[in-house]
Amino acid sequence: DIVMTQSPDSLAVSLGERATINCKSSQSVLYSSNNKNYLAWYQQKPGQPPKLLISWASTRESGVPDRFSGSGSGTDFTLTISSLQAEDVAVYYCHQYYTTPLTFGGGTKVEIK
Amino acid sequence: QVRLQESGPGLVKPSETLSLTCTVSGGSIRSFYWTWMRQPPGKGLEWVGYTYYSGGTDYNPSLRSRVTMSVDTSKNQFSLKLSSVTAADTAVYYCASMPVEKVRGVIMVREANYWGQGTLVTVSS
Repeated sequence: DIVMTQSPDSLAVSLGERATINCKSSQSVLYSSNNKNYLAWYQQKPGQPPKLLISWASTRESGVPDRFSGSGSGTDFTLTISSLQAEDVAVYYCHQYYTTPLTFGGGTKVEIK
Repeated sequence: QVRLQESGPGLVKPSETLSLTCTVSGGSIRSFYWTWMRQPPGKGLEWVGYTYYSGGTDYNPSLRSRVTMSVDTSKNQFSLKLSSVTAADTAVYYCASMPVEKVRGVIMVREANYWGQGTLVTVSS
C-alpha cells in the first residue's frame, strides 16, 4: 500500500497569511506513461463531504480560488493557501489515486490564529 | 453536474450486513467508476472500493472478504454490502464518482470528483 504522510497535523495561521501543508507518499505516484502525478487535495468542513480542490498535484478545479495552489512531484507534495481566509478553516487531505488500495493522508486541520 | 445520494439504514446490529445504495443523477452510470469511501467519527478517510457498470470491482484488501459492490443500470444506482459488521465499521459512508481514462491502453481511475453528502451508519445492538 502507498502510505500518505501529511504534516503538520494542525496549524494555526493569521488571516491573510500563508498556510503550507506537506504530503509525502511512500512511493512515487508519478506515472511515467503520461508524466502525471496521481495526487489530489481535498478540503473538508465539518458535516460536509470532502471537496476536490486540486488534481494531478497542481491543477485547480473549476471555481476553486487561486489562493489555493499545489506543487510537487514523485513523492513530495505541497498545498499552499497564499492568503488564508476565514472560510478556509477546514481539514485538508492529500490522496493518491495512482494505484489501489487508494489511500489518503491523515489530514491537516487549518485554523485561524 | 453529477449528483449522488446515499440511502440505507442508519443502524445495523453487530454481525449483520450493512447495505447502502447510492442514486446517481445528472450523469450516466456508464461514464464513471463508482466508489465508496468511509470516515469513522473524528477520523480520516478510507477507501472501501469501487465498481464499474460492466461488473468490474476492486476492493480495499482490508475489507475485501466482507465487501460486495454492484451497479444497477436500470435504476441509475450502485450499492455497497458489508457483511459481519462490528463497531469498527461505524462511520459516515460516502459514495463518489471517479472518472476513468485510458493511458496507452491501461485504464487509470482518476480522483473522486463528485461526492454524496454521506450517511452515518452506526453498528450497535
